[in-house]
Amino acid sequence: EAAVTQSPRNKVAVTGGKVTLSCNQTNNHNNMYWYRQDTGHGLRLIHYSYGAGSTEKGDIPDGYKASRPSQENFSLILELATPSQTSVYFCASGGVSYEQYFGPGTRLTVL
Amino acid sequence: GQGVEQPAKLMSVEGTFARVNCTYSTSGFNGLSWYQQREGQAPVFLSYVVLDGLKDSGHFSTFLSRSNGYSYLLLTELQIKDSASYLCAVKGTNTGKLTFGDGTVLTVKP
Repeated sequence: EAAVTQSPRNKVAVTGGKVTLSCNQTNNHNNMYWYRQDTGHGLRLIHYSYGAGSTEKGDIPDGYKASRPSQENFSLILELATPSQTSVYFCASGGVSYEQYFGPGTRLTVL
Repeated sequence: GQGVEQPAKLMSVEGTFARVNCTYSTSGFNGLSWYQQREGQAPVFLSYVVLDGLKDSGHFSTFLSRSNGYSYLLLTELQIKDSASYLCAVKGTNTGKLTFGDGTVLTVKP
């Protein structure tokens, strides 16, 4: 049973539109993370959360908002999507150990 | 600030070994992780090191030298299925945040 799930798995959006990416985890981890990965590159941290109600800016937060309404759910919101936000987005959860558990990713294309 | 560097590509032969290098510069250090990422899939945790020296985990071993800001992932008895991208990630503070390198694409040839 997958512990970190993401929806949608694929999304095509128009420039200026609003996009919401959702993440759910059943690991009961306090920490959750949103990353983006561009072709040939590593993961870059957008936003993260220490628990329900908390969100923190990561390394590249501009143009993104995040929401953590519960322990299980963490959303990434693009209020005004731009083509430069075309990427693969990964959600991850982590607890007190050093390991992060990743979801399957969402491929977002902004036209 | 933090920087994590890895070579972009590495090629090796089935049955032999491969060493994936990682160098880092951080304002603080609280451990280094290695992840495997297959094409089109999510990263999967392999190993974590926080103390200097070699940590032998069988097929995957990891080495760390904190004074040199250097780590490597050693894969032995390579199989074709070991072909993947290997990501190095440094935990610089106690926040749980990781800074990833761009990954090394390992190709294992017959």
